[in-house]
Amino acid sequence: NAGVTQTPKFRVLKTGQSMTLLCAQDMNHEYMYWYRQDPGMGLRLIHYSVGEGTTAKGEVPDGYNVSRLKKQNFLLGLESAAPSQTSVYFCASTGLAGVDTQYFGPGTRLTVL
Amino acid sequence: GEDVEQSLFLSVREGDSSVINCTYTDSSSTYLYWYKQEPGAGLQLLTYIFSNMDMKQDQRLTVLLNKKDKHLSLRIADTQTGDSAIYFCAESSNDYKLSFGAGTTVTVRA
Repeated sequence: NAGVTQTPKFRVLKTGQSMTLLCAQDMNHEYMYWYRQDPGMGLRLIHYSVGEGTTAKGEVPDGYNVSRLKKQNFLLGLESAAPSQTSVYFCASTGLAGVDTQYFGPGTRLTVL
Repeated sequence: GEDVEQSLFLSVREGDSSVINCTYTDSSSTYLYWYKQEPGAGLQLLTYIFSNMDMKQDQRLTVLLNKKDKHLSLRIADTQTGDSAIYFCAESSNDYKLSFGAGTTVTVRA
């Protein structure tokens, strides 16, 4: 039982490049989320999913796309990276039992030059 | 997020109690949370409280909720050097989506 894992841990992109961040959970959780953390601002919700095949926008969705083709995976895509997307990205998942089953991944540090 | 506010810094002497305060605006909040983040690490859920409760105690941690004033606090008794970290207040309503405060950096001095 690995919990929530994120791939990659670090990445440096040039402006305009694309990439996909992978979040995987092995707890059969229904809910999955992508947050970004910027200095002095706490975490902000980018997109989330309430089940396989579903996605919804969070607070700061612009410039990102997501997919949840399999229940255990939640992908975050950047089609054309911008310096403003330099951040630490955290994935989280929650089971139907609610807050007692909420877990965060270790984070992906992304730098866009 | 701008709906959750907390003070940015707290310095406390080892062995004293720490109190971190938070205010929120969403009256439909179902749960309120405290998370801990150590340098370079992810978020660790410390404790949470359901919105119809006013207090929850868990070992050295005491959470107080004043729903009328939308004020949440976390008290850490007998603060240790290992408690030095950033503490985030957060709230959620539907789908367990979290809105976070900016975090309070707690420094424990000997």
